[in-house]
Amino acid sequence: GAGVSQTPSNKVTEKGKYVELRCDPISGHTALYWYRQSLGQGPEFLIYFQGTGAADDSGLPNDRFFAVRPEGSVSTLKIQRTERGDSAVYLCASSWPGLAGGSSYNEQFFGPGTRLTVL
Amino acid sequence: AQKVTQAQTEISVVEKEDVTLDCVYETRDTTYYLFWYKQPPSGELVFLIRRNSFDEQNEISGRYSWNFQKSTSSFNFTITASQVVDSAVYFCALSGGSGANSKLTFGKGITLSVRP
Repeated sequence: GAGVSQTPSNKVTEKGKYVELRCDPISGHTALYWYRQSLGQGPEFLIYFQGTGAADDSGLPNDRFFAVRPEGSVSTLKIQRTERGDSAVYLCASSWPGLAGGSSYNEQFFGPGTRLTVL
Repeated sequence: AQKVTQAQTEISVVEKEDVTLDCVYETRDTTYYLFWYKQPPSGELVFLIRRNSFDEQNEISGRYSWNFQKSTSSFNFTITASQVVDSAVYFCALSGGSGANSKLTFGKGITLSVRP
């Protein structure tokens, strides 16, 4: 089966513009995550969806960042009024949800990422 | 809050040498999971190994082995008989488990270069 896909693979935009990044998770995976990886750093958590709802958005840096997953499958990360500091690789991952109580863990499968460059 | 520290930034070895990548973590969770991921130049994160906090048994899987010690909060990863294809950035990561605790906290990564 297909893995996690992300489009576009590269996005170049100008400061102040609006961008949308798309993630298509593995079919049937109800959990979806967005991470941001700046140059020379490890990925940093942005937001986690369980189904259609954002279960944890504590990693979003400010209100310019927003993500949706209206039908519980494809997710879109939206960035308003982009700044040069937003330049990074945006990674999406999906998984089956773990069992309640934290007694198990399901591996997150990562997509290839979208490289965003804000000029 | 969770934290992962990878003190090594870059390691260079000659092919066939063994190499150990260090990882130290901090968490207040009693149940947690530790991971190693590989990021080759292509950029995609590749899952390598996972360990849960209940199981400190160290294992070997092919050329990979790991040493998990709760007493020192360390989760070190060893590649035996390294190969040029092992050249990549390696990330150690930590998770609190399922649901809202399932997000991964990554270290800054270690760049491994294996020379022929």
